[in-house]
Amino acid sequence: QSVLTQPPSVSGAPGQRVTISCTGSSSNIGAGYDVHWYQHLPGTAPKLLIYDNNNRPSGVPDRFSGSRSGTSASLAITGLQAEDEADYYCQSYDSSLGVFYVFGTGSRVTVL
Amino acid sequence: QVQLQESGPGLVKPSETLSLTCTVSGGSFSSYYWTWIRQLPGKGLEWIGNIDYSGRTNYNPSLKSRVTISVDTSNEQFSLKLTSVTAADTALYLCARLGGWFDPWGQGTLVTVSS
Repeated sequence: QSVLTQPPSVSGAPGQRVTISCTGSSSNIGAGYDVHWYQHLPGTAPKLLIYDNNNRPSGVPDRFSGSRSGTSASLAITGLQAEDEADYYCQSYDSSLGVFYVFGTGSRVTVL
Repeated sequence: QVQLQESGPGLVKPSETLSLTCTVSGGSFSSYYWTWIRQLPGKGLEWIGNIDYSGRTNYNPSLKSRVTISVDTSNEQFSLKLTSVTAADTALYLCARLGGWFDPWGQGTLVTVSS
């Protein structure tokens, strides 16, 4: 039931910059609701990476950055490292259909 | 530091009830909403519902008729019950704290629906 669309996979060589898009609609991102990003390595607890569009929690490297514009958001990873290989999800709030919290379809980042 | 840990059976028979518990440690139980989320195989994350300290709940409409989330404040736990399960409910079930965003999360527990 993902209503936020992400590319299934993104890849880059170590040191490169990659971006992950998150496309929503007028009932979620386009309505001005904040976007949050999570990193998930299978077998571990998902980790909050970016909150409120572009804020990093303590301990998250500044290689990770977020932005939001219109009905979309994006996550950028600069200086890609092997440890960044994981699944990434965007998340926002949705005012339609009574589904309060919606997630992206998820993107697998592969470090070549 | 707040930590969450899911527990419950990893195998449930079709038509039966899935029951899971999330135990919270490290404080702040009364100050937040507590959430269940699931990851269906090969798919993304789906919000199931959340509950606060007083027992107020919100549920995903697609699951609302089958879901009950309850809270045990004395043990700082909250629980999920999902009735009439089918193979489509096979998923990794995760609990998380909600305070504007989901953080922290538990590692999740895999529940398989099979006879």
